Amino acid sequence: DTAVSQTPKYLVTQMGNDKSIKCEQNLGHDTMYWYKQDSKKFLKIMFSYNNKELIINETVPNRFSPKSPDKAHLNLHINSLELGDSAVYFCASSQDALASGPASGANVLTFGAGSRLTVL
Amino acid sequence: AQSVTQLGSHVSVSEGALVLLRCNYSSSVPPYLFWYVQYPNQGLQLLLKYTSAATLVKGINGFEAEFKKSETSFHLTKPSAHMSDAAEYFCAVSHRTGNQFYFGTGTSLTVIP
Repeated sequence: DTAVSQTPKYLVTQMGNDKSIKCEQNLGHDTMYWYKQDSKKFLKIMFSYNNKELIINETVPNRFSPKSPDKAHLNLHINSLELGDSAVYFCASSQDALASGPASGANVLTFGAGSRLTVL
Repeated sequence: AQSVTQLGSHVSVSEGALVLLRCNYSSSVPPYLFWYVQYPNQGLQLLLKYTSAATLVKGINGFEAEFKKSETSFHLTKPSAHMSDAAEYFCAVSHRTGNQFYFGTGTSLTVIP
């Protein structure tokens, strides 16, 4: 069983299109994230949700809209795709450190395998 | 504010040689520290973490890291490099009570046969 699963793994699309990437975690974690990794491997946090509530919203164009229908899912919708959106997008999850403490493995990010988006 | 600096974006070592990947952090309070590894075309996997217990932390695949508060460092080492260690390595820091993780810019490790 995959702990954090993302679909699709690869996505090739034209500029101006709208696309979504889905993420699901079966770890029972409280917090989910979206990270963007560019061609230089830099990892940048985009969004974070805790129990379906947005807690981190970094400087990201409003063409990017996360949606969390429940705490096990965090989807990323991107409108009007641009060339610069080409990257690998990683979903991740973590348990609430306050709730569980460090010895339990809380406060550790578990990543999905990534979704490579190519905008032509 | 918290941040992480990884010195050296590319490190090359010979097979069997010592691996040393450097990480320095900046944090106003004692943080949690992590090393993650990313193999080609894969997601990030946790190598090891420091959460204020022993300062020398052992991880998977023979890696270990030592937390040195006086130097604000958390360098990653492995006594003998293996070809399978070739990957991208990321140091990360988080606040103990928060859910924000800050990643370094990564170090690409090449192992020369």
